[in-house]
Amino acid sequence: DAGVTQSPTHLIKTRGQQVTLRCSPKSGHDTVSWYQQALGQGPQFIFQYYEEEERQRGNFPDRFSGHQFPNYSSELNVNALLLGDSALYLCASSLGGGLTDTQYFGPGTRLTVL
Amino acid sequence: QQPVQSPQAVILREGEDAVINCSSSKALYSVHWYRQKHGEAPVFLMILLKGGEQKGHDKISASFNEKKQQSSLYLTASQLSYSGTYFCGTEEDNYGQNFVFGPGTRLSVLP
Repeated sequence: DAGVTQSPTHLIKTRGQQVTLRCSPKSGHDTVSWYQQALGQGPQFIFQYYEEEERQRGNFPDRFSGHQFPNYSSELNVNALLLGDSALYLCASSLGGGLTDTQYFGPGTRLTVL
Repeated sequence: QQPVQSPQAVILREGEDAVINCSSSKALYSVHWYRQKHGEAPVFLMILLKGGEQKGHDKISASFNEKKQQSSLYLTASQLSYSGTYFCGTEEDNYGQNFVFGPGTRLSVLP
């Protein structure tokens, strides 16, 4: 049973560039949530996708956008990268939308913005 | 609004007990607890919904005091494997708006 997978594992970009991160949920899960975790801090909720729609969103600017595909996999896009966007980006999968079910986290994508 | 966690860090000997607290100034719908080991993804421990329930998971249990908007995580007879950073996440309503993780509590269990 495959767990949550994310790609790439590491990424280096320069300010102003755009980046796309990918996430495949755990088998049987239909909900994907994205988090940003700066070094030494707790994860911050970016948004959640369920039934191919953004259902909930945290306090992140419109530069952060996403998509969910019919197979439930998801992409996180960040435009006009800033130095402060450097962080570990985690995706978590769950079942049925919402956040009151167990979330299984992927290993994350480490983004460095130079 | 980010919940407050205390203590920031704690060091234990194997077999000792610990309590980690999470509190919010907002009325909460749920509290989530996760543990993250260095360089790894967070791992789910438990979720508590408003109603003041207490849950248990092996020697790790938690309570949620709805009146105080506070949750406590209890680690009993700690094991080396309990080392890591513990995060609470709070949800202010049942639509997931304002879902926020706390800053974490670093727990180190020594032999």
